[in-house]
Amino acid sequence: DVKVTQSSRYLVKRTGEKVFLECVQDMDHENMFWYRQDPGLGLRLIYFSYDVKMKEKGDIPEGYSVSREKKERFSLILESASTNQTSMYLCASTLGGNLRVGTWNSPLHFGNGTRLTVT
Amino acid sequence: QQQVKQSPQSLIVQKGGISIINCAYENTAFDYFPWYQQFPGKGPALLIAIRPDVSEKKEGRFTISFNKSAKQFSLHIMDSQPGDSATYFCAASIRVSGGSNYKLTFGKGTLLTVNP
Repeated sequence: DVKVTQSSRYLVKRTGEKVFLECVQDMDHENMFWYRQDPGLGLRLIYFSYDVKMKEKGDIPEGYSVSREKKERFSLILESASTNQTSMYLCASTLGGNLRVGTWNSPLHFGNGTRLTVT
Repeated sequence: QQQVKQSPQSLIVQKGGISIINCAYENTAFDYFPWYQQFPGKGPALLIAIRPDVSEKKEGRFTISFNKSAKQFSLHIMDSQPGDSATYFCAASIRVSGGSNYKLTFGKGTLLTVNP
């Protein structure tokens, strides 16, 4: 079974702090994604990566950056945390190449999430 | 901008009833439509998916109906069970511009409660 591990289940940070959310997958997947989940807003894509050292902006990248130095690890960085970044953050991974993300050949495998509270 | 619109936001169904969740999209570049199921404390997991050249896909008690001309698709859960209580997300896959890779755009989710 694919395992996507997010380093923290709960995190509390202060406004202005630099925050790192870590995600590791164990299936040699090329593609990795960061989503945030908010009640009534669903899952919104923040950033994604199709290869080591590559990154693409998602739908809501403002206030975030990412790092992918190794294939199995994808980090989300909040440069200066703000209260409106309080949310559930979900990391996901999938096979790469030209496979459609979300299909049975290349389903998104999610971690269990990190609930971040910024006070 | 919500590219995949999902309704209702919440749904309560009696055990044995039919649960119906609807989604609509505008962008005709979407080319695959999966549904994800999320239980409390867990990440979403792929439940069922459909290609746009198929009008219906059935897997057990779960069926996707797809209307390409109306740009709408829906999830039907027959004989709903308390164990089906979860949040359901419709999604749409689209090629990332300029590349050969894809990304998923999700709807806002529907919280389904099946009463015993």
